[in-house]
Amino acid sequence: QVQLVQSGAEVKKPGSSVKVSCKASGGTFSSYAISWVRQAPGQGLEWMGRIIPILGIANYAQKFQGRVTITADKSTSTAYMELSSLRSEDTAVYYCARGGWELPNLHFDYWGQGTLVTVSS
Amino acid sequence: EIVMTQSPATLSVSPGERATLSCRASQSVSSNLAWYQQKPGQAPRLLIYGASTRATGIPARFSGSGSGTEFTLTISSLQSEDFAVYYCQQYNNWLLMYTFGQGTKLEIK
Repeated sequence: QVQLVQSGAEVKKPGSSVKVSCKASGGTFSSYAISWVRQAPGQGLEWMGRIIPILGIANYAQKFQGRVTITADKSTSTAYMELSSLRSEDTAVYYCARGGWELPNLHFDYWGQGTLVTVSS
Repeated sequence: EIVMTQSPATLSVSPGERATLSCRASQSVSSNLAWYQQKPGQAPRLLIYGASTRATGIPARFSGSGSGTEFTLTISSLQSEDFAVYYCQQYNNWLLMYTFGQGTKLEIK
């Protein structure tokens, strides 16, 4: 049974950074890509970027380039997403999701439970 | 950037009836399309991938069709647990883009 378990809710000040973790169990961590998707309150889903742990390669959505860093620790099967220069518009639930890293299997078959990040002064 | 447009924004259907949700891509995505269901307070759940393949454990009343730019998710006989928000998503390795539609809220009529 694959599970992605994320770290707990965070409250951050504008201009600071947040780092969210996503620990995988029940599958082969390095054989998949881990993506990060966020959802602002009452809004839709927005892909931020992904990492392929076995290759150590991360790719980012253009919107977040320079502000997001996604890393992975294969020894603990944990992925991390760090978002810097936080502003109020970054208040959202952040999800990690597992997917393949080559077509046709790029869909997300397992998701973490979500981490609420609140940015407020 | 490939833009995904879902319609309608809200769909009101009675239990036991059929629901048809649409998703249009601004350019061809071949069959690289998935559908997800999301209930309040929960993470999205994969329903369909490759435009028409049901994910593991998804009931047969859910079906997906289409290719290129036009896609449809059909729920043949709505159950109470099907009322939720549905998102389509295209995935494109060449552009390294995963774009979601804005969602369709399926509500009880």
